[in-house]
Amino acid sequence: EAQVTQNPRYLITVTGKKLTVTCSQNMNHEYMSWYRQDPGLGLRQIYYSMNVEVTDKGDVPEGYKVSRKEKRNFPLILESPSPNQTSLYFCASSLGPKGRLLYEQYFGPGTRLTVT
Amino acid sequence: GENVEQHPSTLSVQEGDSAVIKCTYSDSASNYFPWYKQELGKGPQLIIDIRSNVGEKKDQRIAVTLNKTAKHFSLHITETQPEDSAVYFCAASKNQFYFGTGTSLTVIP
Repeated sequence: EAQVTQNPRYLITVTGKKLTVTCSQNMNHEYMSWYRQDPGLGLRQIYYSMNVEVTDKGDVPEGYKVSRKEKRNFPLILESPSPNQTSLYFCASSLGPKGRLLYEQYFGPGTRLTVT
Repeated sequence: GENVEQHPSTLSVQEGDSAVIKCTYSDSASNYFPWYKQELGKGPQLIIDIRSNVGEKKDQRIAVTLNKTAKHFSLHITETQPEDSAVYFCAASKNQFYFGTGTSLTVIP
């Protein structure tokens, strides 16, 4: 089954304790991305990657790191989490972009993170 | 950067009526405009998308229109059903995605 998986689905942690949220897709997609969703703010893009070893900042990259060493995986790293990073996080993948075209993004089920 | 505004934030319609959600964007370089539906506890799912070289696209009860000159695009859902109740997001993109703040649609049986 074609899907995007995220782990963990729920995480409660304390300020300053490094954590990693994993994301994996089995569709051979080139484009992968991380979003955070907060009430009233919609989805905001944190980082995106157009291919292996290529990552770019989105709208809200501060406090986050990513890496894309393999095509299928795109982990999100919080080196020193703070309470303002409490949010619902989504990973997504897409076939594109091909040239200047973008394609449908497939979203994972979400990771609810609470930082106390 | 791009700024996407979405209206209304909430919308209630009677079953069988039409629903319209509108979005505006600021960056004329954006060339891809998807619409997503998000049900409670799930990730967003694409329902329809349109590229900048197309003015209108339809898929059964769902249609999207794009006015590049005015920088706005709209989602139209006809013959609404209770299962259409969800939160809908518009987005504008070139390589990076910018989402609207969402519209909570309730279809009253």
